[in-house]
Amino acid sequence: QKEVEQNSGPLSVPEGAIASLNCTYSDRGSQSFFWYRQYSGKSPELIMSIYSNGDKEDGRFTAQLNKASQYVSLLIRDSQPSDSATYLCAVLPSGGSYIPTFGRGTSLIVHP
Amino acid sequence: GAVVSQHPSRVICKSGTSVKIECRSLDFQATTMFWYRQFPKQSLMLMATSNEGSKATYEQGVEKDKFLINHASLTLSTLTVTSAHPEDSSFYICSARDRVAGEATGELFFGEGSRLTVL
Repeated sequence: QKEVEQNSGPLSVPEGAIASLNCTYSDRGSQSFFWYRQYSGKSPELIMSIYSNGDKEDGRFTAQLNKASQYVSLLIRDSQPSDSATYLCAVLPSGGSYIPTFGRGTSLIVHP
Repeated sequence: GAVVSQHPSRVICKSGTSVKIECRSLDFQATTMFWYRQFPKQSLMLMATSNEGSKATYEQGVEKDKFLINHASLTLSTLTVTSAHPEDSSFYICSARDRVAGEATGELFFGEGSRLTVL
């Protein structure tokens, strides 16, 4: 069974710090990786996609992918209280199903 | 990003009645839509994959006769919870993949979700 693992947290960081969220996956053939943000009581929102090894930056967000080690991470610089949410890692498995596998999510709390 | 609209956002119904939830892709065409259910503080659970013009594919343990899915056009999928019971109370969320770009990127865009409460 193809799995995506995340630490459920909560991860608590002070305002202005860097929040680091990690995700590991079991399907070595996976090619597409996503980070979604879900505020309490709301639906997920796509914030980052990454397909190649290395870093991808978008504003305060940086996604990092290491296919050899089968992990993907999300860094949030200058964390704000408004970043407090659950962050879902999703992986598109190999095999052509096009159905992403979601992790259980990591709860992030940014305290003032 | 692409916009997916889901309606209604909240619905309260009596036990035994049926509820229909609509999911529309507003600025793109979606041959595939996904329906999820999420209980409080739990992860997303995929219920079924909705394919335009064909029958939905249900995940193991999801009753297809209870959760009727219709994907009649490239922009609309509906989920009908039939004979709803209190245990069906949950947050139902649809997502869609762009027919043109989505096959390559795999990106999903989510509707706002529908919170169902069955009394």
